[in-house]
Amino acid sequence: DGGITQSPKYLFRKEGQNVTLSCEQNLNHDAMYWYRQDPGQGLRLIYYSQIVNDFQKGDIAEGYSVSREKKESFPLTVTSAQKNPTAFYLCASSIAVVSSYAHGELFFGEGSRLTVL
Amino acid sequence: GEDVEQSLFLSVREGDSSVINCTYTDSSSTYLYWYKQEPGAGLQLLTYIFSNMDMKQDQRLTVLLNKKDKHLSLRIADTQTGDSAIYFCAESEDSNYQLIWGAGTKLIIKP
Repeated sequence: DGGITQSPKYLFRKEGQNVTLSCEQNLNHDAMYWYRQDPGQGLRLIYYSQIVNDFQKGDIAEGYSVSREKKESFPLTVTSAQKNPTAFYLCASSIAVVSSYAHGELFFGEGSRLTVL
Repeated sequence: GEDVEQSLFLSVREGDSSVINCTYTDSSSTYLYWYKQEPGAGLQLLTYIFSNMDMKQDQRLTVLLNKKDKHLSLRIADTQTGDSAIYFCAESEDSNYQLIWGAGTKLIIKP
């Protein structure tokens, strides 16, 4: 079955540690995204990538880093510079950039919940 | 900047209709979306509407778009317990890569 797999589902981190969240898709999608979800807030875009070896900062990129070495993989590293990293992180992919010709459905993973102790 | 607003909670009785409302500020929106998030899971696209449409119906779901008032609504007929979820409204522009998301409305079903 095609889809997006995020791991781990739950992660605990001590302050000062970097952690990497995995996101893999087998949908053959060009575009991939990382969002952060906090209670009572909409999804906020951290980073996105439209093509392999290229990625762009979203609204809240500070304290995060990504790589896109393969089409199917888009890992997110939460660095120690991220001041408030406890959140639910969602990875998504889409076939193309949203346009008049493609409504751009996003396919989401099940999410990774990061808690900083 | 662009903004999308929704109420945080809606409580309805099982079998009644649910109406979830959303307002947005960007007049150049091309598509407007409703996504559903079940507890502890990712989001799934429920339905979407192109900005030149007024209404879209899909089984129990009806989407109404009032472009003049920048108001979008999602009506779920005969609400069931399986409809318990958070419903997110989002909009996009033709030339803008990013979706703008509402905070999500948590639909609570009373027996």
